Amino acid sequence: DGGITQSPKYLFRKEGQNVTLSCEQNLNHDAMYWYRQDPGQGLRLIYYSQIVNDFQKGDIAEGYSVSREKKESFPLTVTSAQKNPTAFYLCASSRDREGQPQHFGDGTRLSIL
Amino acid sequence: AQKITQTQPGMFVQEKEAVTLDCTYDTSDQSYGLFWYKQPSSGEMIFLIYQGSYDEQNATEGRYSLNFQKARKSANLVISASQLGDSAMYFCAMREFYGGATNKLIFGTGTLLAVQP
Repeated sequence: DGGITQSPKYLFRKEGQNVTLSCEQNLNHDAMYWYRQDPGQGLRLIYYSQIVNDFQKGDIAEGYSVSREKKESFPLTVTSAQKNPTAFYLCASSRDREGQPQHFGDGTRLSIL
Repeated sequence: AQKITQTQPGMFVQEKEAVTLDCTYDTSDQSYGLFWYKQPSSGEMIFLIYQGSYDEQNATEGRYSLNFQKARKSANLVISASQLGDSAMYFCAMREFYGGATNKLIFGTGTLLAVQP
């Protein structure tokens, strides 16, 4: 079955530590996205990529970094510069075409120890 | 700036009844798209329905329909014959053209729906 796989499901970070969240898709989608969701709130866009080796900042990119070396993969690194990283992180992908919905992974819950 | 507003933080509905979840939007674009997603307590986001700004008919998808009123800038989701499994958070989202990413979305804050037996 085609889909988006995020790992791990739960992640704990110590202060001052960088962590990387994995996102892989086998839908052959061009575009990929990372969102952050805080309790009781909607999704906010961190980074997005429309094509391999290219990505753009979203609304809350500070303290995060991404790479897009392969079409299937779009990992997100939460750096120590992100002062409040505890949140639910969702990865999505879509065909970069009008009207195409974004398909989401199951998410990663990140907590600070 | 483009914006999505969902004014109902939470709603109750009796099983088998219909329910309407409100969504209003603000955009200066002539061409845009509106999406509804369902988020169960497990966290995944499930795509429900899409409405394009130039679509003449209201979108329908099984028990879901979208009441699209362009002049009022509203795109309400109607769920008919509610089921217990419909209990979830529901998000309205709009496609934004910023930066040329034709499918970049902005989301509302969501409505928590509880279906009562």
